[in-house]
Formats: sequence, structure tokens, C-alpha cells
Amino acid sequence: GNSVTQMEGPVTLSEEAFLTINCTYTATGYPSLFWYVQYPGEGLQLLLKATKADDKGSNKGFEATYRKETTSFHLEKGSVQVSDSAVYFCALRRSNSGYALNFGKGTSLLVTP
Amino acid sequence: DTGVSQNPRHKITKRGQNVTFRCDPISEHNRLYWYRQTLGQGPEFLTYFQNEAQLEKSRLLSDRFSAERPKGSFSTLEIQRTEQGDSAMYLCASSTPVDRDEQFFGPGTRLTVL
Repeated sequence: GNSVTQMEGPVTLSEEAFLTINCTYTATGYPSLFWYVQYPGEGLQLLLKATKADDKGSNKGFEATYRKETTSFHLEKGSVQVSDSAVYFCALRRSNSGYALNFGKGTSLLVTP
Repeated sequence: DTGVSQNPRHKITKRGQNVTFRCDPISEHNRLYWYRQTLGQGPEFLTYFQNEAQLEKSRLLSDRFSAERPKGSFSTLEIQRTEQGDSAMYLCASSTPVDRDEQFFGPGTRLTVL
């Protein structure tokens, strides 16, 4: 079936540290891949996306590259801030499915000053 | 506020009772989705509407669950004969006709079944 596996948290980093959150997927065809973020007390919101192999999604200093050969979509940021503390969800949309998203379990990130 | 709104935000009910949740999507969004999220898990897709038509349902949506979007605007999700396993956060999301990739999520309704 279609699924997403992401690294378990919580991840605790000091401000300005480098962040990587691993995400791998299993899917038939060519899914679209997403990172959603949930800040404390807020609803999920789209952080970035990539719709085909080798695409790089980027937003707010975060990046992720769609790697078909390794079925991965790892999230990276070169220098995290306290305000990046949130739960990050990797997700996919099946290529032959209109609209449903399959989410990973989420990775909690805490950035300390 | 022009975001997705959900009511109520919290619902506590006894096992066996029926509950109904409401979702108001962003006004120009014709697509509406329901997800369920349990503690420590990501959201799980339940069902999807395009305008008033329910186009996709997950097998998670047992016959105790029913969703409607009668006029293509707000939607309701009803759970009949609730069970303790129904305790979860129920999330609603909507998206525009031109960009199905970005789903805008509401704050959710937290259901607790005692």
C-alpha cells in the first residue's frame, strides 16, 4: 500500500543547528510529496511540496528533494530558530488518487535558545 | 477570520451516543476533506467532497460514520453509537478548485468517548 515513514522524535536542537528529518515512502506510481507543519495551538499547514522526481521544494529556509531512487523526501534546514519548534508531518498523495493525503506519524522538533 | 472553522472544538460523550461535528471551509474552496488523528499518529484520511458530491471514502469510514455536504458549503460528520475507539481529533481541510495540493486545515474537534 501507500505509506510514509518518518523518523521518530522528539528532536531537540540548539538554535542555529542543522536540521534533518528523514522521510521515506512506499507508493505505486509517482506520488506527490509534502511536508506539513503544525505549530503549537495551530492547525496543520503546508510547508513545502514536490510533485515529481528530483524536484526540490523550499519554504522558510526549509528544503526537501524528491529522491525516487531512494524513495525519500528528507526535510532539511541549515540553521533552525526557536520559532521552528513544531510537529512536522511528511505526506504523500497517490498519483492516481485525486486528493487524499497519507501522513507519517509526525516528528516533534524543539529548538532551544 | 477566513480560515477553516470547526465546531465544536471539544466534545465529550458517553459510549453509544451519537455525535455530529460541523466544518465550515474557506468560502471559495470547493473541495473538503475529513481526517482523523489519534495521539502520536498522523492524520488519517476519512472522506472527500467536491462541492456536494462525496467522491472518496476510506475503509476507515465504517457504517457508523456518515458525512454530508448538502449545499457544497459546510459539511457535517456524524458518528452513531460511539465507541471508545472513536476518541480522536477530527480534522477538516479544504482546498481550492485550482490547487489540490495545498489543503488548509481547521483546528479540529477533539472527541472523547467515555
